[in-house]
Amino acid sequence: AQSVTQLDSQVPVFEEAPVELRCNYSSSVSVYLFWYVQYPNQGLQLLLKYLSGSTLVKGINGFEAEFNKSQTSFHLRKPSVHISDTAEYFCAVTRSNDYKLSFGAGTTVTVRA
Amino acid sequence: ETGVTQTPRHLVMGMTNKKSLKCEQHLGHNAMYWYKQSAKKPLELMFVYNFKEQTENNSVPSRFSPECPNSSHLFLHLHTLQPEDSALYLCASSHQRSGDEQYFGPGTRLTVT
Repeated sequence: AQSVTQLDSQVPVFEEAPVELRCNYSSSVSVYLFWYVQYPNQGLQLLLKYLSGSTLVKGINGFEAEFNKSQTSFHLRKPSVHISDTAEYFCAVTRSNDYKLSFGAGTTVTVRA
Repeated sequence: ETGVTQTPRHLVMGMTNKKSLKCEQHLGHNAMYWYKQSAKKPLELMFVYNFKEQTENNSVPSRFSPECPNSSHLFLHLHTLQPEDSALYLCASSHQRSGDEQYFGPGTRLTVT
């Protein structure tokens, strides 16, 4: 079975600073990877996903993530955050022949002025 | 608007009560999911339905009883819950294709007293 580890539970960051959220996965087979965001009092919303091809994936709201197979990582980055990026971020993985997701525990990003 | 709605948004119930959570999707998806979200823990997949048939039950206690009358509606019937069942319950839907994203509802915040 696959699993996901999000290495930081909380990340405080100042407005307009860059942010990186770390995600590592373990799987014995090829995988698809996802990042979701959850704003307060809302459900999860897809930011981006990696299925195949270029290892650098661009998503909504200026986020991007890089798939690194050798390091089994899929870190999420944004070069300049806004107050509105304050949210919880979840990394998720599925086997490439499956549709069910395994989620990490989440990273809470708090952006301060 | 994600196309997945959940009612009620908040629910407080005693341990002897019986209540139901409702989820509805208008996205034409054929798979629907119930997740439990507790603070600082990964999302726990509870049940998966595909074309109204339950395809997964992740060792969920019998006090949680799902029902899927059609591909657009999903219910979670609750009875004799415990305080540790207090959590955010999220419904999601997707096409049953590897790599497709899941679309989430806003969740029902359940408090068991």
